[in-house]
Amino acid sequence: KAGVTQTPRYLIKTRGQQVTLSCSPISGHRSVSWYQQTPGQGLQFLFEYFSETQRNKGNFPGRFSGRQFSNSRSEMNVSTLELGDSALYLCASSFRDRVTGELFFGEGSRLTVL
Amino acid sequence: AQRVTQPEKLLSVFKGAPVELKCNYSYSGSPELFWYVQYSRQRLQLLLRHISRESIKGFTADLNKGETSFHLKKPFAQEEDSAMYYCALSGGLTGGGNKLTFGTGTQLKVEL
Repeated sequence: KAGVTQTPRYLIKTRGQQVTLSCSPISGHRSVSWYQQTPGQGLQFLFEYFSETQRNKGNFPGRFSGRQFSNSRSEMNVSTLELGDSALYLCASSFRDRVTGELFFGEGSRLTVL
Repeated sequence: AQRVTQPEKLLSVFKGAPVELKCNYSYSGSPELFWYVQYSRQRLQLLLRHISRESIKGFTADLNKGETSFHLKKPFAQEEDSAMYYCALSGGLTGGGNKLTFGTGTQLKVEL
């Protein structure tokens, strides 16, 4: 079974630009969550989608948005990039509806904002 | 508000010595607690969850609601246990969804 796939793996942007990251969950998984990982703040929850609906949202500004498609693939978008958005963005998928299930993480998309 | 505290950034032990990775949490409801692990050059993965009361790779963790702790323990450390360990909390059945609050992680280094 293929794992969670995130693209692109690495990208460099400049301040003010926008970026779109993609996540393909494990086949059959309907929940997709996004996390931001930085050395200073650690892993922070961005949002979660389940069956194309945003179910939870973390404390991030509106510049951070996401969506999920009918095939469970998800994208997140960051507009008007700031230097502080440089981070590893992790996607995780889960089959189960609740967190008693296991989250399967991708390798992440490393974003550098110059 | 949910909060997870892992007081040690780095824990260094000798092979064969006992290991205890500390985790304290703050949550007003009934939380679900997890330990995730990231080995070098591998993805973050679930090690164990409190609700399963299982032992994985010799590791156990007991939820102590009185002390709001979920420490990870192993009686005899192995070299392959060297990794980054994250304690995580969710709101459980009432919290809904797959929102995890992670601690900042503890790097475990097992020395020969």
